[in-house]
Amino acid sequence: NAGVTQTPKFRILKIGQSMTLQCTQDMNHNYMYWYRQDPGMGLKLIYYSVGAGITDKGEVPNGYNVSRSTTEDFPLRLELAAPSQTSVYFCASSYHTSGSGNEQFFGPGTRLTVL
Amino acid sequence: GDSVTQMEGPVTLSEEAFLTINCTYTATGYPSLFWYVQYPGEGLQLLLKATKADDKGSNKGFEATYRKETTSFHLEKGSVQVSDSAVYFCALPYTGRRALTFGSGTRLQVQP
Repeated sequence: NAGVTQTPKFRILKIGQSMTLQCTQDMNHNYMYWYRQDPGMGLKLIYYSVGAGITDKGEVPNGYNVSRSTTEDFPLRLELAAPSQTSVYFCASSYHTSGSGNEQFFGPGTRLTVL
Repeated sequence: GDSVTQMEGPVTLSEEAFLTINCTYTATGYPSLFWYVQYPGEGLQLLLKATKADDKGSNKGFEATYRKETTSFHLEKGSVQVSDSAVYFCALPYTGRRALTFGSGTRLQVQP
């Protein structure tokens, strides 16, 4: 079991460029999430998905898009990179049946710098 | 809305010292509460959790008790090690979402 994998680990973009951050999980989890972590701050939820074909906005969705065509993959797209998107991006997944309290599993993160 | 507030860091301790990291929360009802740990260069991993009031979560010598009276979930360890140096996050579920809202994190530095 690889768990949650993310690629790339590091990336530098110029303002206005676009890129896709990849995330894959092999635990058959139904829920997947994208968070960003700014220096000295907690994590902010960008988007999440409750299953293939279903996505919803989190706290800070502006400037990002997502899709969930399979259970395993949940890519995050940046269309027009801006310096404010410089951050570390974490993908996570979890398995939910009912109630709360289900553990989230995190990937190692992608460190993105926009210059 | 639901939120967590953590004590600011960094917290610097000598090895074998006692650790407390404060966490208080604002929430509707009695949600599950979590502590996650982030070691340098890694993603977050679950350290412990408590799913109902008065529960005590424990793992790797760390403990936290869910106290509804004081809306707190403070993290404690009796004797820290250098290997405990990391950033610790308190978290609870967003209302209406199966995602988590995190505190700002507390950096712990343990010196030999």
